[in-house]
Amino acid sequence: GAGVSQSPRYKVAKRGQDVALRCDPISGHVSLFWYQQALGQGPEFLTYFQNEAQLDKSGLPSDRFFAERPEGSVSTLKIQRTQQEDSAVYLCASSLTGMEFFGPGTRLTVL
Amino acid sequence: GIQVEQSPPDLILQEGANSTLRCNFSDSVNNLQWFHQNPWGQLINLFYIPSGTKQNGRLSATTVATERYSLLYISSSQTTDSGVYFCAVTRVWSQGNLIFGKGTKLSVKP
Repeated sequence: GAGVSQSPRYKVAKRGQDVALRCDPISGHVSLFWYQQALGQGPEFLTYFQNEAQLDKSGLPSDRFFAERPEGSVSTLKIQRTQQEDSAVYLCASSLTGMEFFGPGTRLTVL
Repeated sequence: GIQVEQSPPDLILQEGANSTLRCNFSDSVNNLQWFHQNPWGQLINLFYIPSGTKQNGRLSATTVATERYSLLYISSSQTTDSGVYFCAVTRVWSQGNLIFGKGTKLSVKP
């Protein structure tokens, strides 16, 4: 595609619900990253995929967070039993040669 | 881990003014990118500049890797330049994930 796309753009969840956030990277991009951006802060790294392999998940804040990229293209970030502190913008980025391109993000609000 | 510090944190300009944003980083880096986050939250790539100088219209950037800083210059600012400017780096030998500074919030007044 022309750019990185993410869906949904906005998600409101009740505390305790599970959510799934989708990222469609730029076609052919091998590397895919997820970041979390709290209000007024810079994005913070969550996890990294090279094709379908999850090579780094050191930034995932708890075992409630899970990400996958089964066919090396689309990725899904899943948050189980959402908590209020999970409220943030979740950004996806893809890269081929080092320069990262970001999607528009999913704004998650947990009530 | 590597620290990325941006200054100033906030900047208010009159339309037409010039400005310089600074990014200091505490260790050697493979990659440095400047982004503009618009009011809708989209991170827009400005420069991929691990070293050297680049120019794109009214914007230019310089990275001096040996002294661990980068500068973003905005000339003849416009109201559409408003937003938050982020500097982000990747550490040498890392997987490539970006480490962001806290950003500079720019407001350009008409």
